[in-house]
Amino acid sequence: EIVLTQSPATLSLSPGERATLSCRASQSVSSYLAWYQQKPGQAPRLLIYDASNRATGIPARFSGSGSGTDFTLTISSLEPEDFAVYYCQQRSNWMYTFGQGTKLEIK
Amino acid sequence: QLQLQESGPGLVKPSETLSLTCTVSGGSISSSNYYWGWIRQPPGKGLEWIGSIYYSGSTYYNPSLKSRVTISVDTSKNQFSLKLSSVTAADTAVYYCARHPIRGADFDLWGRGTLVTVSS
Repeated sequence: EIVLTQSPATLSLSPGERATLSCRASQSVSSYLAWYQQKPGQAPRLLIYDASNRATGIPARFSGSGSGTDFTLTISSLEPEDFAVYYCQQRSNWMYTFGQGTKLEIK
Repeated sequence: QLQLQESGPGLVKPSETLSLTCTVSGGSISSSNYYWGWIRQPPGKGLEWIGSIYYSGSTYYNPSLKSRVTISVDTSKNQFSLKLSSVTAADTAVYYCARHPIRGADFDLWGRGTLVTVSS
């Protein structure tokens, strides 16, 4: 099973700042990597698929990069509604796993 | 637009079988482009994929749950279902149904989720 490790566990930033979230896979997942945003009491929302493609309706301030084992989600300028928990997720050999999440909190 | 809605008992006794149904509305579950999956999230914890099904009935499961999980599909009702047997308190979670494209790794559309508590 491929393990995804996200860092940091918690990120404290202010609105307007740039956020950089990391996801590292225990072995290569090619570009089969997605990012989700989850707010309390809500289902996860797909932000990025195939490592770097924004999902429908996702603002341009969200971007994804990476391939193989190292991936990054960047939020260029934080809006108040961006403070949430973010998960990465991969598919490999008909098995899907999620990272443990990064909580993005207001500083 | 297409929506997913989970339904089923919110309380299940230990050792019994958890049963949930996901109803797809606004579109067909028989699309050749998608799988349909179940994911769960224990309170305050992360996400765990349980398993997925294609409209033809082809399934694949998380190996850690495979011995207790059955996912089925009813195309006439536009529904797919989850059964998880021999539940314990560790199976207490919010259960989500979701759609995922065959082409990639992502789950692009989710239901709102339903909390299932395992308790006597």
